[in-house]
Amino acid sequence: QKEVEQNSGPLSVPEGAIASLNCTYSDRGSQSFFWYRQYSGKSPELIMSIYSNGDKEDGRFTAQLNKASQYVSLLIRDSQPSDSATYLCAGGYNNNDMRFGAGTRLTVKP
Amino acid sequence: DAGVTQSPTHLIKTRGQQVTLRCSPKSGHDTVSWYQQALGQGPQFIFQYYEEEERQRGNFPDRFSGHQFPNYSSELNVNALLLGDSALYLCASSFGLGGATDTQYFGPGTRLTVL
Repeated sequence: QKEVEQNSGPLSVPEGAIASLNCTYSDRGSQSFFWYRQYSGKSPELIMSIYSNGDKEDGRFTAQLNKASQYVSLLIRDSQPSDSATYLCAGGYNNNDMRFGAGTRLTVKP
Repeated sequence: DAGVTQSPTHLIKTRGQQVTLRCSPKSGHDTVSWYQQALGQGPQFIFQYYEEEERQRGNFPDRFSGHQFPNYSSELNVNALLLGDSALYLCASSFGLGGATDTQYFGPGTRLTVL
């Protein structure tokens, strides 16, 4: 069973703080992981992808992958009100079979 | 660089009807995946098309079918609509098949409401 689990939140952080979003997966066959941001009523927008253990940084975003513990996280530094959205974690498998978590709703308060 | 496009934006149907949704992949992409996203849930994988064939399929009934054309565009057909089919239908495109590292880019989606 390929499952991706996320805390549905809502997660609320003050502006300028670090937001930490977590995701666990059950299938060790996952080879790649993706974080998407989805604003209400819109389609998911890719933020980052990560394939290897460790950290990957892109601007204010850092993705962390730990395959031994089967978790993926996303850190958002200097959170802004415009970061308020639902964040979707997805695990990718062979042949682009991608499974999503239910998403974590983040609110950044001014 | 044209992104993924979908049509129509919104659609209202009644139970038992049939619907066709359309998707054009991002320029340079040849693989199209379809997802259903119910309110408050993550996208659920329906199926994926590559080289005009269905390559992967999620846990959806045969009422859901699709097609991919030589220009890589794709259609999703749903027959005998049920109230539970009301959702946002997302198309995602990527390049190639056979590796788990191909990033998928989503279109704006089609909001289907079944009354």
